[in-house]
Amino acid sequence: DAGVTQSPTHLIKTRGQQVTLRCSPISGHKSVSWYQQVLGQGPQFIFQYYEKEERGRGNFPDRFSARQFPNYSSELNVNALLLGDSALYLCASSIGVIGSNQPQHFGDGTRLSIL
Amino acid sequence: EDKVVQSPLSLVVHEGDTVTLNCSYEVTNFRSLLWYKQEKKAPTFLFMLTSSGIEKKSGRLSSILDKKELSSILNITATQTGDSAIYLCAVVGIISGSARQLTFGSGTQLTVLP
Repeated sequence: DAGVTQSPTHLIKTRGQQVTLRCSPISGHKSVSWYQQVLGQGPQFIFQYYEKEERGRGNFPDRFSARQFPNYSSELNVNALLLGDSALYLCASSIGVIGSNQPQHFGDGTRLSIL
Repeated sequence: EDKVVQSPLSLVVHEGDTVTLNCSYEVTNFRSLLWYKQEKKAPTFLFMLTSSGIEKKSGRLSSILDKKELSSILNITATQTGDSAIYLCAVVGIISGSARQLTFGSGTQLTVLP
């Protein structure tokens, strides 16, 4: 079975632009979460979606938004990009919501660089 | 605000050594604690520990949750060069209602020398 897939793998943008990152969960998984990981730090929680509804939001500005589609795939959108948005963006999927008996499984991430 | 602290930040050992990685947490409405291994990109799941399962073991790796001390340890025995990675500890807490979040520590960088 395919794992969590993310696209694109790498992306270069300039300040002020907008970006959309995509994630396809493991088949059968209904929850998708997004994380931002900057170099030298652990992933930081951005959003969780379960059954197409937002089930949690981390401490990120409103420039960050996400949605989940009927097939459980998800998009993360970031507007008005700042240099500080440069990071590895990880998507994770799980059968149930965070905290259920099933762990989250991560994709390889999208490396976003802001010039 | 939920907080997870890992120690040490980095560790260099030789093959065959045994290592112990530490994780302490302050989390509102604790649900579970997870350990992940991150080599290059995707963190890969190692263990999940909950109130009903405070000790887990898989091969040379084992982990214990101490809910009284709000901490966990990850032990790796007979280390191999393939164990070199960043080990991440994460804790699930309830934000409000049904909203939950996973809070990660900064990780421990383990380097195993041949």
